[in-house]
Amino acid sequence: SQTIHQWPATLVQPVGSPLSLECTVEGTSNPNLYWYRQAAGRGLQLLFYSVGIGQISSEVPQNLSASRPQDRQFILSSKKLLLSDSGFYLCAWSVLGELFFGEGSRLTVL
Amino acid sequence: RKEVEQDPGPFNVPEGATVAFNCTYSNSASQSFFWYRQDCRKEPKLLMSVYSSGNEDGRFTAQLNRASQYISLLIRDSKLSDSATYLCVVNMYSSASKIIFGSGTRLSIRP
Repeated sequence: SQTIHQWPATLVQPVGSPLSLECTVEGTSNPNLYWYRQAAGRGLQLLFYSVGIGQISSEVPQNLSASRPQDRQFILSSKKLLLSDSGFYLCAWSVLGELFFGEGSRLTVL
Repeated sequence: RKEVEQDPGPFNVPEGATVAFNCTYSNSASQSFFWYRQDCRKEPKLLMSVYSSGNEDGRFTAQLNRASQYISLLIRDSKLSDSATYLCVVNMYSSASKIIFGSGTRLSIRP
């Protein structure tokens, strides 16, 4: 069966520090992969999606970036965090349009 | 105009009531539609897919109106456990698997 792992689950970072969130999927090949962000009390905002290795579509570039170095690995990064980057970050993979989420990473930027 | 728009609510209804949510989408080429449920501080989970002919799963009914570009979710005989945020989701195949969420509708069921 397919599983998705996302880490770290929780992190507190100072403004201006770098960020790296990692997501891996097991049990499937060539999945479509997604990064979403949810600010407190808000909906899910699509940040990046990828249909294959090295293929990244950006919805909200700002100071975030994403990479897909391997088929089942999706990484979200920032060189310098802003206060507004705080939120709940969710990685997901998709088949036939249905999304399967990781458990999320809760980021607080201070 | 947002790609997917949803009434944010909140809806506060008594147990046993019927409640309906609507969601509109802007891209007429969108191909698949879903309703997700999200509990507080958790990841969203699929509630049901939405088919052109409409579909029902127990107390839940989902419908799609392509002409008017909206989807709906009807919950009958609501239970306390139905309290959650409901998110409509649109897969825009015309943009290579871009999947967009509505902002979510909060539902609270009171005893």
